[in-house]
Amino acid sequence: SQTIHQWPATLVQPVGSPLSLECTVEGTSNPNLYWYRQAAGRGLQLLFYSVGIGQISSEVPQNLSASRPQDRQFILSSKKLLLSDSGFYLCAWTPGGAGYTFGSGTRLTVV
Amino acid sequence: QKEVEQDPGPLSVPEGAIVSLNCTYSNSAFQYFMWYRQYSRKGPELLMYTYSSGNKEDGRFTAQVDKSSKYISLFIRDSQPSDSATYLCAMSAFSGSARQLTFGSGTQLTVLP
Repeated sequence: SQTIHQWPATLVQPVGSPLSLECTVEGTSNPNLYWYRQAAGRGLQLLFYSVGIGQISSEVPQNLSASRPQDRQFILSSKKLLLSDSGFYLCAWTPGGAGYTFGSGTRLTVV
Repeated sequence: QKEVEQDPGPLSVPEGAIVSLNCTYSNSAFQYFMWYRQYSRKGPELLMYTYSSGNKEDGRFTAQVDKSSKYISLFIRDSQPSDSATYLCAMSAFSGSARQLTFGSGTQLTVLP
């Protein structure tokens, strides 16, 4: 069966520090991968998606970047965090159908 | 105007009640409709997935889609305290090479024992 792993679960980082969140999927190949951010009381905002190794599409101009160095690995990064980067970050995957499977999320607090 | 509108609640009901959760949308290109349940501090999990107008039933849950009115609903029968969560509607229209979802803001539901 397919599983998605996302870590860390919680992260507190100072303003201006770098960020690296990792997401991996097991039990499938060539998944579509997504990074979403969820702010308190708001819906999920799509940040990046990838349909293959090295292919990244950005939905929102921001302080973040994404990379897909391997087929089942998706990384969210920042060189310098801002206070406004705080939120709940979710990785998701789909084999191409409409139903997404989400990871357990990373709660990021920038202080 | 947001593409997807969802009443944020919070909604509080007694155990055993029938719950109705709703979303409206403006983009007629949306073809697939989903409901996700999200417990506190967890990732959303897919509850229901439909792609046509009408009703789809799964146990105590019924998803209803009315494309002519651009309106979707999720009904929960015999609600239980374990149903207490935030419910997110989501929709998609094929876009490029990856199907993307547009989410509602979520409705927070509490079922009181």
